Amino acid sequence: EIVLTQSPATLSLSPGERATLSCRASQSISNYLAWYQQKPGQAPRLLFYDASNRATGIPARFSGSGSGTDFTLTISSLEPEDFAVYYCQQRTNWPPMITFGPGTKVDIK
Amino acid sequence: QVQLQESGPGLVKPSQTLSLTCTVSGGSISSGSYYWSWIRQPAGKGLEWIGRIYTSGSTSYNPSLKSRVTISIDTSKNQFSLKLTSVTAADTAVYYCASQLGYFDYWGQGALVTVSS
Repeated sequence: EIVLTQSPATLSLSPGERATLSCRASQSISNYLAWYQQKPGQAPRLLFYDASNRATGIPARFSGSGSGTDFTLTISSLEPEDFAVYYCQQRTNWPPMITFGPGTKVDIK
Repeated sequence: QVQLQESGPGLVKPSQTLSLTCTVSGGSISSGSYYWSWIRQPAGKGLEWIGRIYTSGSTSYNPSLKSRVTISIDTSKNQFSLKLTSVTAADTAVYYCASQLGYFDYWGQGALVTVSS
């Protein structure tokens, strides 16, 4: 089973600052990685698919990059609504399996 | 736009079977290349994929839950369902249904299921 590790566990930043979140896979997953944002009491929202493709309606201040085992989600300038938990997720086609990373919480400093 | 809504008992006794249904609106559950998945999240913890079903009825399950999980689909009602047997307190979580075209693009709001006597 492919294990995803996210770092840091918590990122304390101020509005306007740049956030850099990391997701590392235990083996190569090509670009089969997604990022989600989850706010308290809400379902996760898809931000990026296939590592760097922005989902519909996601602001340009968010960017995704990486391939193989190392991936990054960057928020160029944090807005108040960006403080949330971010999860990465990988998918394998055979055998079909989906795993999520443990999450990174971005909170207000 | 596709919308999903979970429904089912919010309280299940230990050793019994958890049953949830997801109703899909705004589109046909039979159209396209979507998989229909269940994902859960214990309070304060991360996300765990439970399994998925395709419109053909083909299923895939998380190996850690496979022995206890059944996902089924009813295309006539535009619904898919989850059954989890022999539940324990460790199965207490918010259960989400979601559509997957590669990744999870549409989610239900989540249903809290508590396992307790």
